[in-house]
Amino acid sequence: GDSVTQMEGPVTLSEEAFLTINCTYTATGYPSLFWYVQYPGEGLQLLLKATKADDKGSNKGFEATYRKETTSFHLEKGSVQVSDSAVYFCALMDSGGSNYKLTFGKGTLLTVNP
Amino acid sequence: DTEVTQTPKHLVMGMTNKKSLKCEQHMGHRAMYWYKQKAKKPPELMFVYSYEKLSINESVPSRFSPECPNSSLLNLHLHALQPEDSALYLCASSPPSTGVYEQYFGPGTRLTVT
Repeated sequence: GDSVTQMEGPVTLSEEAFLTINCTYTATGYPSLFWYVQYPGEGLQLLLKATKADDKGSNKGFEATYRKETTSFHLEKGSVQVSDSAVYFCALMDSGGSNYKLTFGKGTLLTVNP
Repeated sequence: DTEVTQTPKHLVMGMTNKKSLKCEQHMGHRAMYWYKQKAKKPPELMFVYSYEKLSINESVPSRFSPECPNSSLLNLHLHALQPEDSALYLCASSPPSTGVYEQYFGPGTRLTVT
């Protein structure tokens, strides 16, 4: 079945540091890939998405590239801020399965210190 | 406007109570979802409504009863819950098919069962 594996957290960085959160996936079809962010006490926000191989999703300084050859969708940001502290979820939706089911990774807690 | 609203924000109920959670969106989305999220875990899908019809029930206990009165509203009726049902309940919606069913989440209802 489909699965998403994220790097274990928590991740603690200083402000302006470079961020990478690794995400790899297993899917039977041709999935769409997503990163969601959850700030403390809030719901999930769609951060970025990519729907086919080599697509790059980007938003708010975050980027991720859909790599089919390595089945990866790593999240990167060049310079993190304290306000980026949150839990980040990588997720996929497999075109070969239900079009409504998101498969989530376990989430990675990011803490950015001033 | 990419907003999904949920009420109430917090709910405390006893095991013999009956209560309802409400979700609303005015984005013209035709699929709506209920998720349950425990602390430090990703969301777990409970129900999916597509064009106001129940499409997916992830074997949820009958003490949770969803209802979709119209394309903008989604309710979750709660009855005889257990303490282990305490969690954050998230509603989400997604637009009509464009090939990518990205989901937009509300802020959630924090439910405590005493």
